[in-house]
Amino acid sequence: DAKTTQPTSMDCAEGRAANLPCNHSTISGNEYVYWYRQIHSQGPQYIIHGLKNNETNEMASLIITEDRKSSTLILPHATLRDTAVYYCIYRSYNTDKLIFGTGTRLQVFP
Amino acid sequence: GAVVSQHPSWVICKSGTSVKIECRSLDFQATTMFWYRQFPKQSLMLMATSNEGSKATYEQGVEKDKFLINHASLTLSTLTVTSAHPEDSSFYICSARVPAGYTSSLNVLTFGAGSRLTVL
Repeated sequence: DAKTTQPTSMDCAEGRAANLPCNHSTISGNEYVYWYRQIHSQGPQYIIHGLKNNETNEMASLIITEDRKSSTLILPHATLRDTAVYYCIYRSYNTDKLIFGTGTRLQVFP
Repeated sequence: GAVVSQHPSWVICKSGTSVKIECRSLDFQATTMFWYRQFPKQSLMLMATSNEGSKATYEQGVEKDKFLINHASLTLSTLTVTSAHPEDSSFYICSARVPAGYTSSLNVLTFGAGSRLTVL
C-alpha cells in the first residue's frame, strides 16, 4: 500500500497561511498526490491533487518537490472552518483505491 | 457538482440484528464504489470495492459474510452489516469516482457524509 508520512498535528493562527507537509519517498512516476480533509464526523472532502507540477485551485495550493518525494499543501488564509484532519495520499491514475494514512490534525485558532 | 448520498446518516440497533446502509450517486453513474470504516480517532480503513453487476472485492481481514455488499444499479450500492455486534459500531463511509466533466479535475473520488452505526 502507498505510504505517506505527515506530522500528527499542527496549529495555525486564523488568517495566516497553513503549510502542511507530506513525505512520499516511495512514490513512483505515474502516481498522483491527492489531498483530502475530514472535518469532524463528516466524509472526506477533496482538496487538490497533482503529479509533478505545482497546482492551485480555489481552496489551496499544492507544491511538489522536483524529486516528487514530498509535497506541501498550502491554505493561504486559514479560517476556523479549516480545522480538520488533512490526508495526503498517492495512487496510480488508473487505480481508484485510496488508502488513507493517519493524516495531520490542523487546529486553526483565533 | 457530483454528490454521493448516504442513508441513514445514523442508526442505532440491537445486537444480533442486521443493518443496511445505502450509498447513492445522485447525479452521475458509478460503476465502482468504495466502502470505508472509521473508528473514533482513527483513520479511514478501506473495507471493500463495490462493482456494479458483479461481486464486491474485499480487503484482507474484512469478513465478506459479515459485511454484505450489493451494487445492483449504476447509482446505488448497499452495505449490510449482518448480525451486528457492539464491536461493529463505527462510522461507515462510501465513495465513488467522479466522471470527467463534473469537475475541472479528473479522476477524483467523492465521499458521502457517512453513516454512524451504534450497536447496543
